[in-house]
Amino acid sequence: NAGVMQNPRHLVRRRGQEARLRCSPVKGHSHVYWYRQLPEEGLKFMVYLQKENIIDESGMPKERFSAEFPKEGPSILRIQQVVRGDSAAYFCASSPGLEEQFFGPGTRLTVL
Amino acid sequence: GDSVTQMEGPVTLSEEAFLTINCTYTATGYPSLFWYVQYPGEGLQLLLKATKADDKGSNKGFEATYRKETTSFHLEKGSVQVSDSAVYFCALSSSLGGSNYKLTFGKGTLLTVNP
Repeated sequence: NAGVMQNPRHLVRRRGQEARLRCSPVKGHSHVYWYRQLPEEGLKFMVYLQKENIIDESGMPKERFSAEFPKEGPSILRIQQVVRGDSAAYFCASSPGLEEQFFGPGTRLTVL
Repeated sequence: GDSVTQMEGPVTLSEEAFLTINCTYTATGYPSLFWYVQYPGEGLQLLLKATKADDKGSNKGFEATYRKETTSFHLEKGSVQVSDSAVYFCALSSSLGGSNYKLTFGKGTLLTVNP
């Protein structure tokens, strides 16, 4: 079985550009979570989505960040007008319900 | 809010040495506690968990006991192998208001085991 897939694995953007991070959950999983790991910190919860719905976005910055999980296709975390402080590792996880979360390998975003 | 503090790394051990990685937490209520492991180039994998006080989680020779009195969940293994080299994360999930999906992580501890 394929696990959670994230792409790209590494992404370099210049300040002011947009970053799009993709997450394909485990087949059959309808719950997706995004976490961010800033340098020298632990993973921090950003957002929890079910198909076509945002359930909890309490950990996501109000400006420039958005997330979606459409009926078809991967979940997308979008960061507009990136700044250097957005440089981090972004992890996606999925679950079939409210139990064990299966994590992807992460996307390392570097903002120049 | 909830927080997890774990031992700073990196930790370097010889094969067959005893491993302890300390983890303490602050949380409201009665969280569930987890250890995740991340091997190079891979996603985090659940290593073990405990859902209530005095529970012991165990897997692959690793174990950790949920100690409510000391708010700790230290990871131990009696004899490490080179293949245990990875980053280890301690985490908790909130017990409040249906938000138990929200995991709070420590910073991670890099373990390197030399032959």
